[in-house]
Amino acid sequence: DGGITQSPKYLFRKEGQNVTLSCEQNLNHDAMYWYRQDPGQGLRLIYYSQIVNDFQKGDIAEGYSVSREKKESFPLTVTSAQKNPTAFYLCASSIELAGGGDTQYFGPGTRLTVL
Amino acid sequence: GEDVEQSLFLSVREGDSSVINCTYTDSSSTYLYWYKQEPGAGLQLLTYIFSNMDMKQDQRLTVLLNKKDKHLSLRIADTQTGDSAIYFCAESIKGGGNKLTFGTGTQLKVEL
Repeated sequence: DGGITQSPKYLFRKEGQNVTLSCEQNLNHDAMYWYRQDPGQGLRLIYYSQIVNDFQKGDIAEGYSVSREKKESFPLTVTSAQKNPTAFYLCASSIELAGGGDTQYFGPGTRLTVL
Repeated sequence: GEDVEQSLFLSVREGDSSVINCTYTDSSSTYLYWYKQEPGAGLQLLTYIFSNMDMKQDQRLTVLLNKKDKHLSLRIADTQTGDSAIYFCAESIKGGGNKLTFGTGTQLKVEL
């Protein structure tokens, strides 16, 4: 049963802590993405990765970090430098990042709340 | 620059047609997408259209693209309560790889 999984579904963080959100896919997709969603706003791109061991900053990368050591996995770390981290985080993947038209498939999301 | 706009809310009666509109500014768009998001869930791809097409129909869904006016619409025929969700349009830009620019989303409420 192929798809994208994200964990945990809900995550609570104290101010000053780093937290890591998990994203795994078994679709054999090359490209993976992290988005942030805030109420009343569209999705904003945080980081994306075209291939293993490579990743690029998106529009709002400050305060976040990623790694891509395996094709299947693209974890996102929300660092203490992110001033307003409370949001819904969505991971996506697509077959390849080239020329457009490669549909992005989304995971179920992780809701992060800073206490 | 890239900018995708949608109205925030739409309310329709069950059985009526819904039309969700989207405008974009980048004429280099290659593909335009419609995604559906139910409460607390990820985005589900509904349909997409290539920029050289005017229309695409898939069961109850009809997508219309007016490239001259940079206007995209999604029509849902015979709208059901299960269609209540947020609908996002998104565009991918020629030369931009597969990065998508999303609209703000339209909350569709279906009333009995």
